[in-house]
Amino acid sequence: NAGVTQTPKFQVLKTGQSMTLQCAQDMNHEYMSWYRQDPGMGLRLIHYSVGAGITDQGEVPNGYNVSRSTTEDFPLRLLSAAPSQTSVYFCASRQGGARTEAFFGQGTRLTVV
Amino acid sequence: AQSVTQLDSHVSVSEGTPVLLRCNYSSSYSPSLFWYVQHPNKGLQLLLKYTSAATLVKGINGFEAEFKKSETSFHLTKPSAHMSDAAEYFCVVTTNSGYSTLTFGKGTMLLVSP
Repeated sequence: NAGVTQTPKFQVLKTGQSMTLQCAQDMNHEYMSWYRQDPGMGLRLIHYSVGAGITDQGEVPNGYNVSRSTTEDFPLRLLSAAPSQTSVYFCASRQGGARTEAFFGQGTRLTVV
Repeated sequence: AQSVTQLDSHVSVSEGTPVLLRCNYSSSYSPSLFWYVQHPNKGLQLLLKYTSAATLVKGINGFEAEFKKSETSFHLTKPSAHMSDAAEYFCVVTTNSGYSTLTFGKGTMLLVSP
């Protein structure tokens, strides 16, 4: 059972470039989320989805786009990369229901130069 | 609305001594609370969770936490630290109302010396 799989693990982008971070889960979870982790800031929610075709913004959505066409996949798009988007990105999934824990991918370390 | 405050950014202990990582929360509804651990350059692993059942929750690797509603706290403890416990720990809150997002504390780095 793979759980939550993120690709790539590392990426370097130039300012202004675009890219897509991939996230897939094989647990048939309804809820999926993207977080960014910066030193001393914990994890901050970028976007989330409560099911295929339904997405919403989190705490820090600017500069990012998401879509959810299937239950399994939840890609995160950087439209025009900026140095402020240098961070570690985590994808997570949860079963439906408020009392459920999240399962995390291994993270993508992104550097924008 | 919900929020989490981890009261210490760093905690240093000696191997074999007790561990206490402090967490206070705020929630408009009945909360669920979690502790996650992150070892260097790794993803996040669930240590334990409170979801309105027993207030003393036992987790993996000898960790436990006690939910105290009157103090709005959910402190993480372990009787005896091991070198392998050195990591960053996150306290997380969500509410038991419909779909609620997870809110993370800023993290506590646990340092364990021989």
